[in-house]
Amino acid sequence: AQKVTQAQTEISVVEKEDVTLDCVYETRDTTYYLFWYKQPPSGELVFLIRRNSFDEQNEISGRYSWNFQKSTSSFNFTITASQVVDSAVYFCALSEAGTGNQFYFGTGTSLTVIP
Amino acid sequence: NAGVTQTPKFQVLKTGQSMTLQCAQDMNHEYMSWYRQDPGMGLRLIHYSVGAGITDQGEVPNGYNVSRSTTEDFPLRLLSAAPSQTSVYFCASCAQGRGYTFGSGTRLTVV
Repeated sequence: AQKVTQAQTEISVVEKEDVTLDCVYETRDTTYYLFWYKQPPSGELVFLIRRNSFDEQNEISGRYSWNFQKSTSSFNFTITASQVVDSAVYFCALSEAGTGNQFYFGTGTSLTVIP
Repeated sequence: NAGVTQTPKFQVLKTGQSMTLQCAQDMNHEYMSWYRQDPGMGLRLIHYSVGAGITDQGEVPNGYNVSRSTTEDFPLRLLSAAPSQTSVYFCASCAQGRGYTFGSGTRLTVV
């Protein structure tokens, strides 16, 4: 079974729209970490955020915000007032404390922001 | 501080050839991993290491070998290249519970 599910394969929005990327995870560990990465067209993988399982506070960083809800096993990512530079593939990932820091990645959501 | 350095960036192999993808990190991270990225499949773990001298298999280890003789280096060896190994390969390193820092990737084509 997939440990990390990103059901949205592709999303297109018009510039300045808000967009939310969904991430649902599955784990039996009580200690785990969740991450979001961005992969722009240039191909590199850029770390965006890390959240541990004991910290359900939502986080905001500029136009980016993350909503972590343990009750629904979700870690969603919202981009406010999207820009063309936000066009990229976004990956959600899970790391369980008991598995040697292995990362389980979702299949990614490809976001296209149309000018 | 170079981060994670992968070489080469591009490689074309003939079926049956062997080669080694190099990966080095200068952040003294204990964890290192190799992933492959294929369209529609996200990143899949090939092999990983939790420290020098310790390696283990990931999700898709067949056809690949690794070793970790030092903290800094984690080379990935393709024993006998097959077209199914055409992919983009990423090396990554991190400290416990932290986010991985990825190398810039190696685009491998096996013909």
